[in-house]
Amino acid sequence: IVMTQTPLSLSVTPGQPASISCRSNQSLLHSDGRTYLYWYLQKSGQSPQLLIYEVSNRFSGVPERFSGSGSGTDFTLKISRVEAEDVGVYYCMQSIHLWTFGQGTKVEIK
Amino acid sequence: EVQLVESGGGLIQPGGSLRLSCAASGFTVSSSYMSWVRQAPGKGLEWVSVIYTDGSVNSADSVKGRFIISRDNSKNTVYLQMNSLRAEDTAVYYCATARVAAGDVWGKGTTVTVFS
Repeated sequence: IVMTQTPLSLSVTPGQPASISCRSNQSLLHSDGRTYLYWYLQKSGQSPQLLIYEVSNRFSGVPERFSGSGSGTDFTLKISRVEAEDVGVYYCMQSIHLWTFGQGTKVEIK
Repeated sequence: EVQLVESGGGLIQPGGSLRLSCAASGFTVSSSYMSWVRQAPGKGLEWVSVIYTDGSVNSADSVKGRFIISRDNSKNTVYLQMNSLRAEDTAVYYCATARVAAGDVWGKGTTVTVFS
């Protein structure tokens, strides 16, 4: 399964919203009714950290300004008001068949 | 506290072998599926290998036949045996698990550099 993210880079003014798109070439909807799409943030020099699981569920401790949406093959991560600490590379990932990551979207602050 | 600690990385010549370890604490490795993910310098994340709770395994085509994932329940540790190493295997290797959701816990990584 191929995961394609857009854009590959994003420069955002603090306090403004940001949106990242992720598309898969196959549906991520499993026969169990769950959709296996995840979002991670990798800050500079750190390991990836889980933000969103199964499309729209915020992981423990993730701020409410992060939200995920989508279905089937089209998904979006939104940050309602970007803060300086949100800088890093965002990856989407599918786990319906093994794991595949998107190319990553680098988010920086203007 | 749930934690994963990788070790075993280093400098190795092409064709050589290394064994990476991922020691878990706060949970048992046999209760969750465990994966290895790598990141080449300046590049994105690439899934490498997985071991499931039933002991079955799978690997990416890029490492199939060269890398072997295994676990030792008594040591609560997962391993990645890497053979026939190539320059393109140079990367930071992370282990990650799926206790609540895929990739909910990651280690800090261990660096493998294959050089001639």
